[in-house]
Amino acid sequence: GAGVSQSPSNKVTEKGKDVELRCDPISGHTALYWYRQSLGQGLEFLIYFQGNSAPDKSGLPSDRFSAERTGGSVSTLTIQRTQQEDSAVYLCASSFKGSGTEAFFGQGTRLTVV
Amino acid sequence: DAKTTQPPSMDCAEGRAANLPCNHSTISGNEYVYWYRQIHSQGPQYIIHGLKNNETNEMASLIITEDRKSSTLILPHATLRDTAVYYCIVRVANQGGKLIFGQGTELSVKP
Repeated sequence: GAGVSQSPSNKVTEKGKDVELRCDPISGHTALYWYRQSLGQGLEFLIYFQGNSAPDKSGLPSDRFSAERTGGSVSTLTIQRTQQEDSAVYLCASSFKGSGTEAFFGQGTRLTVV
Repeated sequence: DAKTTQPPSMDCAEGRAANLPCNHSTISGNEYVYWYRQIHSQGPQYIIHGLKNNETNEMASLIITEDRKSSTLILPHATLRDTAVYYCIVRVANQGGKLIFGQGTELSVKP
């Protein structure tokens, strides 16, 4: 596609439910990043995928958060047993590893836990 | 990755140059300086990056001091659409790895 695509653009869920957020990176990009941005706050790194290497999960805030990347392309971020503090915009980005690593961001998924 | 320090906010008059500073005194020899910006309600957008030479593209210019401990992003003729949070990041290029964003500088371009 022309850019990084995220779906859904908005998601409202009840506390305790599980949610899945999807990211379609730019075709051919080997690196994929997930970030979280709470209202009025900066970007918080969550997880980074690079090719077939083990992902860098150092930013995941708890074991309720997990992510996978299938076939080196589409990625899904899963949040189990959502809490109100999980409400935020979740941003995905992709890049070529060896191109100066300019990262292209999607428009994000706004998650609201009620 | 080295840490960066930026002023939390700045104002600039429309049509004037906006000069956004960034301190990165612990930068390593193989780390580049990257700039991104985030316009309200949008994902971050790459602007420019450099190692030690000054760089210019259609969006901005990047001036890096000779000792590489600080840099300045210059928007030569700021417009209202340049109002955004600007992030300065240092990292090793061409090796991948997570991008760590600090708090950035909130630039307000005023008419």
